[in-house]
Amino acid sequence: GIQVEQSPPDLILQEGANSTLRCNFSDSVNNLQWFHQNPWGQLINLFYIPSGTKQNGRLSATTVATERYSLLYISSSQTTDSGVYFCAVRETSGSRLTFGEGTQLTVNP
Amino acid sequence: DTGVSQDPRHKITKRGQNVTFRCDPISEHNRLYWYRQTLGQGPEFLTYFQNEAQLEKSRLLSDRFSAERPKGSFSTLEIQRTEQGDSAMYLCASSLLRETDTQYFGPGTRLTVL
Repeated sequence: GIQVEQSPPDLILQEGANSTLRCNFSDSVNNLQWFHQNPWGQLINLFYIPSGTKQNGRLSATTVATERYSLLYISSSQTTDSGVYFCAVRETSGSRLTFGEGTQLTVNP
Repeated sequence: DTGVSQDPRHKITKRGQNVTFRCDPISEHNRLYWYRQTLGQGPEFLTYFQNEAQLEKSRLLSDRFSAERPKGSFSTLEIQRTEQGDSAMYLCASSLLRETDTQYFGPGTRLTVL
């Protein structure tokens, strides 16, 4: 099956700093989603982005499907951005999402 | 438009007992998915339904697990003869089969098997 690798596994920032999270995947996909998992376990949708670039406030994402990677940018980070960020992909032949192991982000005041 | 709901949110049971979880998808979403997440890992796919038909099951779904989606609305996931290794967060998601097919997740049911 498809492999999804996220980096870095852990990231510690000071409030106000910018960060980039990366997601590499091993095969062609027709769906890529970024999620933020809050401390209660809820997965919050951030982006549906199988290709191209999208922005939503301080967050933006870019997926280069031909090179099989996606980037999530967080600017002017806030303490409420803390949590685990997951990338999940769906192979062109399937319906399930395959998740990476996540990036644990900690933003200190 | 309410989101995906799951019940119960927490379940503590003794090894060997049966448990059943319920998921109510977003209204009119025709696809419903179950995932399992253990501590420190990303969610892993268990099974999915399109309307009332169960179209795919993961190898993780042993014969002690069964899922149903009668009438293509809510779904139940039952685990028989629970084991300590079943302790995990069980997540439900739904989507509307169309061009994007974005999956939206519920809050999860956290199962602890003693």
